[in-house]
Amino acid sequence: KQEVTQIPAALSVPEGENLVLNCSFTDSAIYNLQWFRQDPGKGLTSLLLIQSSQREQTSGRLNASLDKSSGRSTLYIAASQPGDSATYLCAVRDSGNTPLVFGKGTRLSVIA
Amino acid sequence: DAGVIQSPRHEVTEMGQEVTLRCKPISGHNSLFWYRQTMMRGLELLIYFNNNVPIDDSGMPEDRFSAKMPNASFSTLKIQPSEPRDSAVYFCASSMGRRNYGYTFGSGTRLTVV
Repeated sequence: KQEVTQIPAALSVPEGENLVLNCSFTDSAIYNLQWFRQDPGKGLTSLLLIQSSQREQTSGRLNASLDKSSGRSTLYIAASQPGDSATYLCAVRDSGNTPLVFGKGTRLSVIA
Repeated sequence: DAGVIQSPRHEVTEMGQEVTLRCKPISGHNSLFWYRQTMMRGLELLIYFNNNVPIDDSGMPEDRFSAKMPNASFSTLKIQPSEPRDSAVYFCASSMGRRNYGYTFGSGTRLTVV
């Protein structure tokens, strides 16, 4: 059974700092991996999707990498801003028709 | 596209009452998922459908919970009777079975059972 772990559970950084959020999964035979952002009291917004054949995806200040063999993904946020404060969730999908399995998230606070 | 649409956004009900949550997936998506989110347990999958057929309902906590997908554009999650421990945010998501395609989530229904 796939399990997803995110470390750290919470992170507080000063504005402008570059940071890395970590995600690990137990079964490396994944279909794809998705990073989401969730603001307090809101829904989930998709940030980046990495297919199993890809190594990384980039969107603006965000870069997500995938190392299937080691069962790891990282989300890199460059030049963090207070508006980046949110919970970041990592989720993996084992096949085309199976559901995403989520980690418990990393709660990020960027201090001005 | 308007995205995944859930209703109502908020629901407050008394213990013992029936609650029905609704979801309209994105047109063309063939998979629909119901999740529940609480502080203690995070996001839990309740049930999912492929091509309107329920595939796995092992996450449904009790027989009080039921879900239907009568057609490709509509699904309901029903709780009868509701209990205070059912209080949570319920999310619906839809997707297509393609490697380059992720999930799109609705805004959720915040359920409070008093």
